Amino acid sequence: AQKVTQAQTEISVVEKEDVTLDCVYETRDTTYYLFWYKQPPSGELVFLIRRNSFDEQNEISGRYSWNFQKSTSSFNFTITASQVVDSAVYFCALSEIGTALIFGKGTTLSVSS
Amino acid sequence: DAMVIQNPRYQVTQFGKPVTLSCSQTLNHNVMYWYQQKSSQAPKLLFHYYDKDFNNEADTPDNFQSRRPNTSFCFLDIRSPGLGDAAMYLCATSRGTGNLDEQYFGPGTRLTVT
Repeated sequence: AQKVTQAQTEISVVEKEDVTLDCVYETRDTTYYLFWYKQPPSGELVFLIRRNSFDEQNEISGRYSWNFQKSTSSFNFTITASQVVDSAVYFCALSEIGTALIFGKGTTLSVSS
Repeated sequence: DAMVIQNPRYQVTQFGKPVTLSCSQTLNHNVMYWYQQKSSQAPKLLFHYYDKDFNNEADTPDNFQSRRPNTSFCFLDIRSPGLGDAAMYLCATSRGTGNLDEQYFGPGTRLTVT
């Protein structure tokens, strides 16, 4: 069973628009960790954020913000005032205790000027 | 400064011809990982080393092997590449295997099999 679902395969926005990338996860564990990674065209995966299951506080880092809601098993990522440099594939990932990262299929974000 | 280095960035090999991909790290991390990422798919863990302890994922084909001669280097050997092995191969490192241990990824090696 797929444990991390990123239903949006591709999103296209124009610069300065806000965009939200959705992530829904599935786990039976009470302790788990959620991640977001960015993969620009250069290929490397860049760590953006890690959240543990006991911390539902939303987080803001510059133009990036994350909304973690256990009630809906979602960990959504919003980019405010998007820029061309935000164009990349974004992966949501889940890690249960003692397991490897389980990635979603990714959302390709294209930001045009 | 590059922390996880992968060489080469692009590799072309022939069907059935053994190929080795390399990864090095300057972070002195205990754990090194190899992921396979096929086009438009999520990265998939092949195996990892915790120091010298090798941990293979259950569904990793026998065609894939790995070596870690020292802390800094880790190699991925594909003994007989098939067309289906064409992919981006990502190396990553972390201090430990705990969930709080962030993985640092290299830029990847894109493998083409002709």
